[in-house]
Amino acid sequence: EDQVTQSPEALRLQEGESSSLNCSYTVSGLRGLFWYRQDPGKGPEFLFTLYSAGEEKEKERLKATLTKKESFLHITAPKPEDSATYLCAVQAKRDNYGQNFVFGPGTRLSVLP
Amino acid sequence: IAGITQAPTSQILAAGRRMTLRCTQDMRHNAMYWYRQDLGLGLRLIHYSNTAGTTGKGEVPDGYSVSRANTDDFPLTLASAVPSQTSVYFCASKPGPGTYGYTFGSGTRLTVV
Repeated sequence: EDQVTQSPEALRLQEGESSSLNCSYTVSGLRGLFWYRQDPGKGPEFLFTLYSAGEEKEKERLKATLTKKESFLHITAPKPEDSATYLCAVQAKRDNYGQNFVFGPGTRLSVLP
Repeated sequence: IAGITQAPTSQILAAGRRMTLRCTQDMRHNAMYWYRQDLGLGLRLIHYSNTAGTTGKGEVPDGYSVSRANTDDFPLTLASAVPSQTSVYFCASKPGPGTYGYTFGSGTRLTVV
């Protein structure tokens, strides 16, 4: 069974204090791993897709990396506007249409000024 | 602005009543999805549609039905609402087969009393 776990459940950082969020996954053949950002009262917003171990993607203060068992979302010098819940999801190779995405529970990030 | 429109934004519904949640997208995406998001359980797939005229069941389909008469619209119907259907409902779409991230709507917060 495909599974995704995320840690920590919640993280509080001071502005400028860099850290990483973890997404651990078990899937029978990875087609893609996705990171989303979700603000309170809003739908998730797509950030990155990673396809294979060793791949990295960057966007502003965020960098996502991928190994064969986990992905990290590194946040460099965060600002209060980076406060959100970050969701990780995996799509298996057999899931061509993306109808069996497995989402993790999310990490709730708070960045204090 | 291209994206997904969901309506209503929120609703309080008496148990036993019928309710349709509306979802419209203007991106000409072939695939559409309905998820529910509950605290501690994350995002769970209710129903999906890979293309207009086809639908399929997700992880938690009981008590819900969908139709896909055209590319743009994907309504979700609760035939007879029960309190356990209290949740936040998100409609999502993506272009079609392959590894694409979802585009999500802003959600409908439904309370069944």
